Amino acid sequence: GESVGLHLPTLSVQEGDNSIINCAYSNSASDYFIWYKQESGKGPQFIIDIRSNMDKRQGQRVTVLLNKTVKHLSLQIAATQPGDSAVYFCAVIPFPNSGYALNFGKGTSLLVTP
Amino acid sequence: GAVVSQHPSRVICKSGTSVKIECRSLDFQATTMFWYRQFPKQSLMLMATSNEGSKATYEQGVEKDKFLINHASLTLSTLTVTSAHPEDSSFYICSGAQGANYGYTFGSGTRLTVV
Repeated sequence: GESVGLHLPTLSVQEGDNSIINCAYSNSASDYFIWYKQESGKGPQFIIDIRSNMDKRQGQRVTVLLNKTVKHLSLQIAATQPGDSAVYFCAVIPFPNSGYALNFGKGTSLLVTP
Repeated sequence: GAVVSQHPSRVICKSGTSVKIECRSLDFQATTMFWYRQFPKQSLMLMATSNEGSKATYEQGVEKDKFLINHASLTLSTLTVTSAHPEDSSFYICSGAQGANYGYTFGSGTRLTVV
C-alpha cells in the first residue's frame, strides 16, 4: 500500500523565519497531494494541493514543491507566524479519480517561537 | 466553501453504552463519506468509506459490528460506536467528498471519552 512518511516529527522555528516541512511517498502512481494543518482538538484544515502534473504551486505564504523523481513533497511557509503553530500532514491519493480515501502521513508538529 | 458539520464535538459516555456521531454536508452533496480515527499525537487512520445508499467498506482491523456507519442521504452520515469501551476513546473525524471532485471537506472532529 501507500507509504507516506515525514522526515521530522517536530520542527521549531522562530517567528519570521521560513519553515520547510517534508514528506515522502512511495507510490509513483500517486496523483494528488494535499497539505493539511491541524490545530489541537480540531479537524484538518486544507492548506494547499498539487497535482502530479505540476512541480510547484504557490499560495498565500505557502509553497508546495513536488519532486516525482524522488517521490518527495515539501511545504514551505514564508515568514512563519505564531498562528502557524500546529501539526501539518501531507495526504496522498494513490490513484486518480478513484474515490480512494486520503492516505495521511505521520505529521510534523510545527512550533513557532517568538 | 464546502462545509461538513460534525456533532457532537465532544462526548463522554459510560462503558457499554453506544454513541452516535453525525456529519452533515451543509452546502454540497457528499456522495462519499470517509471516517477516520486519530489517537493522541498520531495521524488520521481511515476506518471506513461509505457511499450514499451503500454499505460501508471497512478497513482491515475495524469491526463493522462495533462501528456502525449509515449514509442514507447525500447530506448525512452517522457513525455509531456500539458497546463502547475505554480503548475506543479517540478523536473521530469525518470527511465528505463530492463525486469525482477531488475536494475533501473535513468535519471538526468528535472527542469521545469512554469511562
